[in-house]
Amino acid sequence: QVQLQESGPGLVKPSQTLSLTCTVSGGSISSGSYYWSWIRQPAGKGLEWIGRIYTSGSTNYNPSLKSRVTISVDTSKNQFSLKLSSVTAADTAVYYCASSLVWSGGNWFDPWGQGTLVTVSS
Amino acid sequence: EIVLTQSPGTLSLSPGERATLSCRASQSVSSSYLAWYQQKPGQAPRLLIYGASSRATGIPDRFSGSGSGTDFTLTISRLEPEDFAVYYCQQYGSSGWTFGQGTKVEIK
Repeated sequence: QVQLQESGPGLVKPSQTLSLTCTVSGGSISSGSYYWSWIRQPAGKGLEWIGRIYTSGSTNYNPSLKSRVTISVDTSKNQFSLKLSSVTAADTAVYYCASSLVWSGGNWFDPWGQGTLVTVSS
Repeated sequence: EIVLTQSPGTLSLSPGERATLSCRASQSVSSSYLAWYQQKPGQAPRLLIYGASSRATGIPDRFSGSGSGTDFTLTISRLEPEDFAVYYCQQYGSSGWTFGQGTKVEIK
């Protein structure tokens, strides 16, 4: 099973762009077996799916965030990335990357990265 | 958008007791699209159940899932100390994947 690890700045200023990277180990991001997703969780609250990408570069985004989100993949580095623009304090959350199997239609997430806290503050 | 409502919000039980967690959808959901996760403080969610009733790899058989249509249930037959956590249901709909608000299972 693959392992996932998030990385990126822990502090982002309001109106700027949040950028995170998820590094995949234990397997190739190009295998075609997985979708690669981002999910976030504000402190003490529930989970929100942000979007996903397939190896081909095909993406799906949460309609509520679609205008601000870009997810991309770098197969040479075995990584995929999240960019969220025009952030506000409401975007403060733990951000997780997660994988889902193509054969399942991508309908459940396993495994997950450990998560990284991003705080939006000046 | 399909909304998932979990109940109760908090379940206070003792080790060895049976836990029954409910997840109700605002409209019918395919069982294939229903999953359950466990989350402990400071940790990422862990997949427990997929396809409404199939246990994920390595999940003990005291965890079971059931249901169809709009009503789904996660049952923990005998609570172990490590089972006290927050549990989320999740489904796929036209707007992508959404989660319930969670049920906290706490030690009574």
